[in-house]
Amino acid sequence: AQSVAQPEDQVNVAEGNPLTVKCTYSVSGNPYLFWYVQYPNRGLQFLLKYITGDNLVKGSYGFEAEFNKSQTSFHLKKPSALVSDSALYFCAVRDFSSGYSTLTFGKGTMLLVSP
Amino acid sequence: NAGVTQTPKFQVLKTGQSMTLQCAQDMNHEYMSWYRQDPGMGLRLIHYSVGAGITDQGEVPNGYNVSRSTTEDFPLRLLSAAPSQTSVYFCASKGQAATNEKLFFGSGTQLSVL
Repeated sequence: AQSVAQPEDQVNVAEGNPLTVKCTYSVSGNPYLFWYVQYPNRGLQFLLKYITGDNLVKGSYGFEAEFNKSQTSFHLKKPSALVSDSALYFCAVRDFSSGYSTLTFGKGTMLLVSP
Repeated sequence: NAGVTQTPKFQVLKTGQSMTLQCAQDMNHEYMSWYRQDPGMGLRLIHYSVGAGITDQGEVPNGYNVSRSTTEDFPLRLLSAAPSQTSVYFCASKGQAATNEKLFFGSGTQLSVL
């Protein structure tokens, strides 16, 4: 089965500094990878996806993610963090093990941006 | 366009009680799913449906039933609630197009089983 791992429970960064939230994946075949964000007391919102093409994917709210096949990673990045970026971030992978397409999520990484 | 609507937002049950969590979407999405979110566990798939009349189990289906009689609705039933089912439940939907992987989530139902 496909899986993703988010090695950090929490990432702390100062406002204005670059941020990285890490994700590694394990798949058979070509990976379809996603990032979602969850603000407090809300459902998850789609940020960006990698299906094929350029290794650098741009998404919502100034976020981007870098796909690295050799390192099996799909790290989320932003050049300059905002306090409002503080949220729970989930990496996800498309899973075909059941015969249908579902999404398997990582455990999530809490991003805290300090003023 | 309301998107994905979940009711109720909060619920407290006693062990052994039954209840149904409601989910409705107005985007004509064929795919609908239920996840539970637990601290340190991320989101885990309970059940999903790829169209009316078709449902299948996800990673953690035990203790839950679903049905899909219409495209719009996908209720989740707890037959006999247990404390282990205390969690936040999210319904999500997406279009069925092969390249459409963007899930739309409801705002969640926080369930406590005493």
